[in-house]
Amino acid sequence: EPEVTQTPSHQVTQMGQEVILRCVPISNHLYFYWYRQILGQKVEFLVSFYNNEISEKSEIFDDQFSVERPDGSNFTLKIRSTKLEDSAMYFCASKKQGAYEQYFGPGTRLTVT
Amino acid sequence: GEDVEQSLFLSVREGDSSVINCTYTDSSSTYLYWYKQEPGAGLQLLTYIFSNMDMKQDQRLTVLLNKKDKHLSLRIADTQTGDSAIYFCAESFYGSSNTGKLIFGQGTTLQVKP
Repeated sequence: EPEVTQTPSHQVTQMGQEVILRCVPISNHLYFYWYRQILGQKVEFLVSFYNNEISEKSEIFDDQFSVERPDGSNFTLKIRSTKLEDSAMYFCASKKQGAYEQYFGPGTRLTVT
Repeated sequence: GEDVEQSLFLSVREGDSSVINCTYTDSSSTYLYWYKQEPGAGLQLLTYIFSNMDMKQDQRLTVLLNKKDKHLSLRIADTQTGDSAIYFCAESFYGSSNTGKLIFGQGTTLQVKP
């Protein structure tokens, strides 16, 4: 059964460094999402992406964040200059056109020291 | 505003039924979902219900929706130890400016005792 994959599973970085989190959505899906879950808190929506552009973003998704679909399979989240409070589990999700189910990857745990 | 609330913890004995409850505030939500998260794993979609339905059954899972009270529940029949996990309720919005983003509750930890 096709699934969303994410790499790396765990990323440790120093404050101020740039990180890129990678996702490979399910191949025939056209809608892509990033969410994050700070330890002990709710899963929060960051951004949705469709047709090579951001379709919706939350207040959390400020200028430090960007997303890209650099080729036909990868979907990336870049954090330009990481802060301690960016430490969280980051989930990628994807959805087919016309469907209502979002399928999630296993997540990347980002630790900013 | 958009808000989803769940109780944090539920403990049941193996073989009993589990009922996990969720309330939401925004009546314009279009779909409501239940996701399961096992330790160290991602979010697994269990089931979802369209907001104009009041019940959906899928094997051991029954979803009940009371739209008037904005209350959603997930019943797991014959709960097994493998059902131990965190269960998340979520709502989504589809419209001209909404692309189906999910708003999650804080998750209910289900503990199943043998």
